[in-house]
Amino acid sequence: DTEVTQTPKHLVMGMTNKKSLKCEQHMGHRAMYWYKQKAKKPPELMFVYSYEKLSINESVPSRFSPECPNSSLLNLHLHALQPEDSALYLCASSHPDGEQFFGPGTRLTVL
Amino acid sequence: ELKVEQNPLFLSMQEGKNYTIYCNYSTTSDRLYWYRQDPGKSLESLFVLLSNGAVKQEGRLMASLDTKARLSTLHITAAVHDLSATYFCAVTTFYNQGGKLIFGQGTELSVKP
Repeated sequence: DTEVTQTPKHLVMGMTNKKSLKCEQHMGHRAMYWYKQKAKKPPELMFVYSYEKLSINESVPSRFSPECPNSSLLNLHLHALQPEDSALYLCASSHPDGEQFFGPGTRLTVL
Repeated sequence: ELKVEQNPLFLSMQEGKNYTIYCNYSTTSDRLYWYRQDPGKSLESLFVLLSNGAVKQEGRLMASLDTKARLSTLHITAAVHDLSATYFCAVTTFYNQGGKLIFGQGTELSVKP
């Protein structure tokens, strides 16, 4: 299995809602990532988990809360988001040579 | 701070023509990656270049890496419409799992008949 899967594909939420994004991979990769991507821009790194421990947090606001329940799963919990948080959220996992494999993404709209 | 710069940022090509996208990076790195992104879609890995002088080819695309010049090129041969997409190069800051990818700005390629 060489896929990274993400759910949901689309999410619309209000500024007071709490929701979660989910990511799963079965490639045995021990590093997993969350990125945020705005239109016409490269992905911006948010968080890195290495061996299920948070290793990089790119000064992301606390309304985004990552979680890594096990080596195959990665969650991103969302609470009290702002309209400017609307974006494509991408999950990735990496091969030991550093190549990252991206999931299909969740298109998030915050109203 | 590691920076990655691509040029051109926009490229409009005619079918059948050749062109090259350039990717410069600011500090030493032996690993460079090329990704493709179709509108509204995720990133697809195209090439992994792991050493100086590495050259990889897939169909009409060929990527190369010169670590001394800190330069990678993505050469397009006899472009076809299906190659229309945004192409990103990226460099990693360290080589173990959990490394941080630094992306270039992306090159938006449009191939016209």
